[in-house]
Amino acid sequence: DIQMTQSPSTLSASVGDRVTITCRASQSISTWLAWYQQKPGTAPKLLIYKASSLESGVPSRFSGSGSGTEFTLTISSLQPDDFATYHCLRYNPYSYSFGQGTKLEIK
Amino acid sequence: QVQLQESGPGLVKPSQTLSLTCTVSGDSVSSSTYYWSWIRQPAGKALEWIGRIYSNGATNYSPSLKSRVSMSLDTSENQFFLWINSVTAADTAVYYCARVTYYFYMDVWGRGTTVTVSS
Repeated sequence: DIQMTQSPSTLSASVGDRVTITCRASQSISTWLAWYQQKPGTAPKLLIYKASSLESGVPSRFSGSGSGTEFTLTISSLQPDDFATYHCLRYNPYSYSFGQGTKLEIK
Repeated sequence: QVQLQESGPGLVKPSQTLSLTCTVSGDSVSSSTYYWSWIRQPAGKALEWIGRIYSNGATNYSPSLKSRVSMSLDTSENQFFLWINSVTAADTAVYYCARVTYYFYMDVWGRGTTVTVSS
């Protein structure tokens, strides 16, 4: 099975900072990768699909990049609403696996 | 606006069967455009995909859960269902239902429901 390693597990940052979260796949997954934002008690929200495609309605400060085995989610200028947990998802027609999650905290 | 809502018992005894319902509004489970999926998250652990069902009833399950899991849907009630039999404490988790696009990623999720396995 394809394993996803997400880092860091926790990230402390300030409003206005640029932050990057990384997901690495144990083997090549082309661009079959999505990113989600989750706040406590709420549904995960899709941010990015196909590694770099921005979901409709998601602010442009969010961006995704990568292909093969290494992927990044970047938030260009942190806003107060962005402090949450972020998950990567490897998907294909047959199976799925998630990263461990990154909790983005206020410094 | 598509919304999904999970429901079911919050407490299940070991060795019994966990059963959950996902009620969909704003879309139809009989749509040929989407699949419907279940995902869970034990406390402090990563999200785990459980399985997926299509409008014609075709299913795909996680290999690690396949022997204990089944899913179905009810187009008249616009709901889909999850059963996991022979549960243990390891099945304690927040369970989410989600809509899956034709390209296989989840685009809309429910808020989740907590299921505890305990006697």
